[in-house]
Amino acid sequence: AQKVTQAQTEISVVEKEDVTLDCVYETRDTTYYLFWYKQPPSGELVFLIRRNSFDEQNEISGRYSWNFQKSTSSFNFTITASQVVDSAVYFCALSEAGSARQLTFGSGTQLTVLP
Amino acid sequence: DADVTQTPRNRITKTGKRIMLECSQTKGHDRMYWYRQDPGLGLRLIYYSFDVKDINKGEISDGYSVSRQAQAKFSLSLESAIPNQTALYFCATSDTSANQPQHFGDGTRLSIL
Repeated sequence: AQKVTQAQTEISVVEKEDVTLDCVYETRDTTYYLFWYKQPPSGELVFLIRRNSFDEQNEISGRYSWNFQKSTSSFNFTITASQVVDSAVYFCALSEAGSARQLTFGSGTQLTVLP
Repeated sequence: DADVTQTPRNRITKTGKRIMLECSQTKGHDRMYWYRQDPGLGLRLIYYSFDVKDINKGEISDGYSVSRQAQAKFSLSLESAIPNQTALYFCATSDTSANQPQHFGDGTRLSIL
């Protein structure tokens, strides 16, 4: 069975600090997909990134970067020079190729960026 | 206009009432999903549908039913609401490509008194 663990329930940083959100996953499939979603205070879910299990290249998008390491089953998310607008709940999710595209979500990390 | 629209956005009702949450999409996706979000638990899958004739139970389907009226419409019903069904409900869609993300509606906040 697939499982996603986000051990950090809440993180608080001061603006301009870097912050890393951890995500550890479990799966028996060799083909799977990992996602990050952002949920701002307004409540909607915003897709940030997807990564398939065959692509371990790290990715950078502006102030956001993602570190995928199959050896440790981790898919961590770093925000560089955090801003108040980054305050949100961030969810990591996993979809196995054989699971009919069901997404299994972690419990989320509440990030608060203080001015 | 939003690609995935949920109605209503907020609903307060009483225990024992029948409630229907509706979801419509303009993305042309075949696959649709219903999730509920509870504090500290992330999102959990209630039901999903691959096309109009295909309905599948998710992790927490007890107490819920669904109807896929058309490719673009997928509704969730609570036949007799109970207080522990108070939650934030999300509808999502995806196409059949293996690595495409699910697209979520803005959510329905349901409170059952």
